[in-house]
Amino acid sequence: DAKTTQPPSMDCAEGRAANLPCNHSTISGNEYVYWYRQIHSQGPQYIIHGLKNNETNEMASLIITEDRKSSTLILPHATLRDTAVYYCIVRGSRGSTLGRLYFGRGTQLTVWP
Amino acid sequence: DAGVIQSPRHEVTEMGQEVTLRCKPISGHNSLFWYRQTMMRGLELLIYFNNNVPIDDSGMPEDRFSAKMPNASFSTLKIQPSEPRDSAVYFCASSLGATHSGGYTFGSGTRLTVV
Repeated sequence: DAKTTQPPSMDCAEGRAANLPCNHSTISGNEYVYWYRQIHSQGPQYIIHGLKNNETNEMASLIITEDRKSSTLILPHATLRDTAVYYCIVRGSRGSTLGRLYFGRGTQLTVWP
Repeated sequence: DAGVIQSPRHEVTEMGQEVTLRCKPISGHNSLFWYRQTMMRGLELLIYFNNNVPIDDSGMPEDRFSAKMPNASFSTLKIQPSEPRDSAVYFCASSLGATHSGGYTFGSGTRLTVV
């Protein structure tokens, strides 16, 4: 039931910015966009989330388009430890979807030296 | 805070045996989620609780699976009888409310192998 589309893989040079795109064209007005990542053999880790405004924290920046149909996660200075699968998720907000996080296949980001 | 604690980390069992996975959420979090991850199906939500009450168990694959949350600091996921196709990594996550806009914290998972 994933409502997002992401490229299956991307790579990035260490020290450069990694820009991970996500399409969520069916997003509803009150649904948040969440980003998580999963490093091999570990549980998913929360990165950032947003509704309509761009957001920034110590890990990343999230850019959401004005029509909210797509977003981009930016890791400003990628390191080797950022190699992981990155999931873009639209969080259910009503009724039976309340609280659900639908994880799609995500994007495998590989940071190379 | 020690984070979400799951046990055991690894479990190998024979087909037909009962398996119990355990989870201790972060203190103060009142929502708890059980996920399963396989190569074929990715991460799937099995069930989630809010204030110890099961809210949505539509992801539980069949009657062999059951989950309980007897109190705010403990939850179990039981499989009886287990089958080889249940082999997967099972994750528990907790949050401050299912509707809270903050993120969910996941445990390190239990890798289950049913032979």
